[in-house]
Amino acid sequence: NAGVTQTPKFQVLKTGQSMTLQCAQDMNHNSMYWYRQDPGMGLRLIYYSASEGTTDKGEVPNGYNVSRLNKREFSLRLESAAPSQTSVYFCASSERAARAYEQYFGPGTRLTVT
Amino acid sequence: LAKTTQPISMDSYEGQEVNITCSHNNIATNDYITWYQQFPSQGPRFIIQGYKTKVTNEVASLFIPADRKSSTLSLPRVSLSDTAVYYCLVGDTPLSGSARQLTFGSGTQLTVLP
Repeated sequence: NAGVTQTPKFQVLKTGQSMTLQCAQDMNHNSMYWYRQDPGMGLRLIYYSASEGTTDKGEVPNGYNVSRLNKREFSLRLESAAPSQTSVYFCASSERAARAYEQYFGPGTRLTVT
Repeated sequence: LAKTTQPISMDSYEGQEVNITCSHNNIATNDYITWYQQFPSQGPRFIIQGYKTKVTNEVASLFIPADRKSSTLSLPRVSLSDTAVYYCLVGDTPLSGSARQLTFGSGTQLTVLP
């Protein structure tokens, strides 16, 4: 039981490049989330998916898109990376939307945009 | 989402009990109080959640007074490995409507000294 896994662990992009961050969970959770954490700051919600087939914006969605591929997988895409998107990205899941405050997090992806 | 206020940092010594207080003066009737722990270079880890009075698990205790305008996370007999950032979150479920504000704030940096 791996919990929440994220790939890649590290990534360096040039401004304007695109990439997709992958996230998968094996806990049969219904809800999944993407956050970013800037140095010395707390986490901010980018997008979430309350259940398979649904997605919604969080606090800081601009510059990102998401896909809930199936119940297990939730990907985050940067279409045209900017230096302001340099951050650590965390994926999380919860049993269901009604238990949104009990989330299980992945190890994170460290992204640098130059 | 109720705004929370926590101390920026705290120091303690090994073996001591640590109490971290979170203020949430405008907590709503349906809001729960949740605490997370985050080690450097890792995703946050759910510690404990409560609604009122006292909740205890194998890791910590959560004390919530009758007016629920604050809460205290209590860590018994801390060790060096408890050095981490601790986040207090307050909010209700289900996710829809409040998810956009699902943020962790800056948390409390707890440093346990030998």
